[in-house]
Amino acid sequence: KAGVTQTPRYLIKTRGQQVTLSCSPISGHRSVSWYQQTPGQGLQFLFEYFSETQRNKGNFPGRFSGRQFSNSRSEMNVSTLELGDSALYLCASSLWGQSNGYTFGSGTRLTVV
Amino acid sequence: KNEVEQSPQNLTAQEGEFITINCSYSVGISALHWLQQHPGGGIVSLFMLSSGKKKHGRLIATINIQEKHSSLHITASHPRDSAVYICAVRWGNNNDMRFGAGTRLTVKP
Repeated sequence: KAGVTQTPRYLIKTRGQQVTLSCSPISGHRSVSWYQQTPGQGLQFLFEYFSETQRNKGNFPGRFSGRQFSNSRSEMNVSTLELGDSALYLCASSLWGQSNGYTFGSGTRLTVV
Repeated sequence: KNEVEQSPQNLTAQEGEFITINCSYSVGISALHWLQQHPGGGIVSLFMLSSGKKKHGRLIATINIQEKHSSLHITASHPRDSAVYICAVRWGNNNDMRFGAGTRLTVKP
């Protein structure tokens, strides 16, 4: 059974640009959550989607947004990139959200120059 | 002060030793997760707990809700257990998720 797939694996963007990251959950999983990991702040929760609805949101500015499609695939978007947005962005899927364990993708490493 | 505190920050053990990693949190939670992250970034979800104890192979996780404390134990440690172990909790009306800073475990052969 295929795992959680994140694309792209690596990305370099310039300050001020925007970026879209993609996450395909395990087949049958309806919940997708996103996380940011940096050396300074560690892992931080961005948001969680279930059945195309954002259920939970972490403490990030409005430049960070996401959505989930009817096939449970999810995208996150960061607009007006800042140097501090350089990070490993991870997504995880589960059957129905916080009551179950999660399966993580390998992440997208974003570098903002 | 971070809502989730892990100890120790770093841990070096000899192969075969019994390992304990601790996690304390300061808020009421709905669930606690233990995660394992290997070099290169891949994260594996080891356990999700809301009470009691869970066991999977050589790994055991316990939680004491009254004391707001959880432990992850590794029996008969092996060099392949070398990784960063991260505690995460879900809390609040928003079901926010907060993470500990991680414990870097190195098991030497």
